[in-house]
Amino acid sequence: DGGITQSPKYLFRKEGQNVTLSCEQNLNHDAMYWYRQDPGQGLRLIYYSQIVNDFQKGDIAEGYSVSREKKESFPLTVTSAQKNPTAFYLCASSRGLRNSPLHFGNGTRLTVT
Amino acid sequence: AQTVTQSQPEMSVQEAETVTLSCTYDTSESDYYLFWYKQPPSRQMILVIRQEAYKQQNATENRFSVNFQKAAKSFSLKISDSQLGDAAMYFCAYRSANNNDMRFGAGTRLTVKP
Repeated sequence: DGGITQSPKYLFRKEGQNVTLSCEQNLNHDAMYWYRQDPGQGLRLIYYSQIVNDFQKGDIAEGYSVSREKKESFPLTVTSAQKNPTAFYLCASSRGLRNSPLHFGNGTRLTVT
Repeated sequence: AQTVTQSQPEMSVQEAETVTLSCTYDTSESDYYLFWYKQPPSRQMILVIRQEAYKQQNATENRFSVNFQKAAKSFSLKISDSQLGDAAMYFCAYRSANNNDMRFGAGTRLTVKP
């Protein structure tokens, strides 16, 4: 079955360490997204990519970096510059059509202590 | 950037009754797409319904329907015959026709009482 895989489900890191969250899709979707979810704030867009080797900053890109070397993969790195990295992170993908919905992974809960 | 506002942090409904969740958005664009997503306790995001701004007819999916008022920039979700499985967070989302990003509201937590 096609879908989006985020791994791991739970991730723990020490403050000051960079950490990379994995996102893989086999839906042949062109666009991929990273969102951060905090209580009471809904989903906030970190980065999105419309095609391979291209990506755009969302509303809260500071302290994060991404790459899109393959259509199937869109890893997110949370750097030590991110002030409050503890959150639930959701990856999504969609076809290139504007009316296409986003398909989401199951998320990664990152805890930094 | 466009903003999406959900003014009801929490709502509750009696099983089998009808409930309406509100959503407003701010945009200067004429062409865009609107979505409602459901997030149950599993935290999996599930598409509930979508609406194209150029369509005047309100979208319907079984017990779920929308009231799309383009001039008022309002996009409410009506759930009829509410079921216990409808209990979840509901997010309204806006997608521009000019780019691929999608913006979400803060969500409404729906409780269904048996």
